[in-house]
Amino acid sequence: DQQVKQNSPSLSVQEGRISILNCDYTNSMFDYFLWYKKYPAEGPTFLISISSIKDKNEDGRFTVFLNKSAKHLSLHIVPSQPGDSAVYFCAAIYDGNKLVFGAGTILRVKS
Amino acid sequence: KAGVTQTPRYLIKTRGQQVTLSCSPISGHRSVSWYQQTPGQGLQFLFEYFSETQRNKGNFPGRFSGRQFSNSRSEMNVSTLELGDSALYLCASSSDRGGPSSYEQYFGPGTRLTVT
Repeated sequence: DQQVKQNSPSLSVQEGRISILNCDYTNSMFDYFLWYKKYPAEGPTFLISISSIKDKNEDGRFTVFLNKSAKHLSLHIVPSQPGDSAVYFCAAIYDGNKLVFGAGTILRVKS
Repeated sequence: KAGVTQTPRYLIKTRGQQVTLSCSPISGHRSVSWYQQTPGQGLQFLFEYFSETQRNKGNFPGRFSGRQFSNSRSEMNVSTLELGDSALYLCASSSDRGGPSSYEQYFGPGTRLTVT
């Protein structure tokens, strides 16, 4: 049972435009959400997080939005840069310390 | 502060053999988790150790085991290797000192295991 779903396996965006990565979840008990970025041959790198009591968190070019009623999470990257090309994983924390990941979305930013 | 380190980075084994992977967490981090990543899959949770005790476990067979030492370093063992065990094995550490943000996990570079 996949509790965190990233339905788009890949996304291609032009440099300078906005990248929107989406994530849906099924467990209403999730209390914290995170986004990770992964380059080939490297481990995932923590990017940005959001608590379930908030609906938006911003850090530079990265903004995460949380819609609890829709059980939907999104990551906006603006403006997108070629170096942003990577696999992006959304993840959720529940029961205090359990972490579950989505399958990932490959982002390609074209210059 | 040094990041999470994993050794070895690459490993080739044959079916039926066993393998031990090592992970050193970020200094001060007490929780260590292990994940398996295969092509087309997300990160599949194997298990998590905290204070030398397995605290959480994913849905993997008993051939996959682990342990954590008093200095928080962790090892993962896979016995009777199968071809399907070929994957990138990632270790992650977190401080786990209270509050959801302390559960943000920091990953090592992974060990690429190939079973032939």
